[in-house]
Amino acid sequence: AQSVAQPEDQVNVAEGNPLTVKCTYSVSGNPYLFWYVQYPNRGLQFLLKYITGDNLVKGSYGFEAEFNKSQTSFHLKKPSALVSDSALYFCAVRDITGGGNKLTFGTGTQLKVEL
Amino acid sequence: NAGVTQTPKFQVLKTGQSMTLQCAQDMNHEYMSWYRQDPGMGLRLIHYSVGAGITDQGEVPNGYNVSRSTTEDFPLRLLSAAPSQTSVYFCASSYRAYNEQFFGPGTRLTVL
Repeated sequence: AQSVAQPEDQVNVAEGNPLTVKCTYSVSGNPYLFWYVQYPNRGLQFLLKYITGDNLVKGSYGFEAEFNKSQTSFHLKKPSALVSDSALYFCAVRDITGGGNKLTFGTGTQLKVEL
Repeated sequence: NAGVTQTPKFQVLKTGQSMTLQCAQDMNHEYMSWYRQDPGMGLRLIHYSVGAGITDQGEVPNGYNVSRSTTEDFPLRLLSAAPSQTSVYFCASSYRAYNEQFFGPGTRLTVL
């Protein structure tokens, strides 16, 4: 079975500081990994994905994520946070070999960026 | 492109009533899915479809039915609403199952 863990319910960061939102996953085969963002009363928006290749993936709005196979992690990062980055962030995984066509989401991390 | 559209935006039902949540996409995507979002539980997959005429169960399918007669539409039916089905429902689509998904704006359902 595939699963995703987002260990922090909330992350608080000062504007201009770097931010990290953590994600770890469990799959029996190889993973496809995704990050999505949700603003209040909106649907989810795609940020970035890892399929294969370079472990550092760059996405929308200056976000990036690093795939670490040995630690089974896919943490979301941004060098300098903005107040407008405040939102709910979801990590998701699909097991290429064992998970069929299902995408499993984490429980979400609320990011709060303050002045 | 309208993207993924969902209707209605809000709905209040009484226990035992049935209804259909509508979802449509105009991007010619093969893969469509329904999720429910509950506080502290993230998004949970209800049903999904990899193409017209093909549907399968997700993580929490009980109490819900789906059909996919066309590529564009993927309605979700609540057979006999229960208070436990109070949630926000999202429809999503992608070109293939492994591509990034595009989400609709959601339907907020309350079952009394």
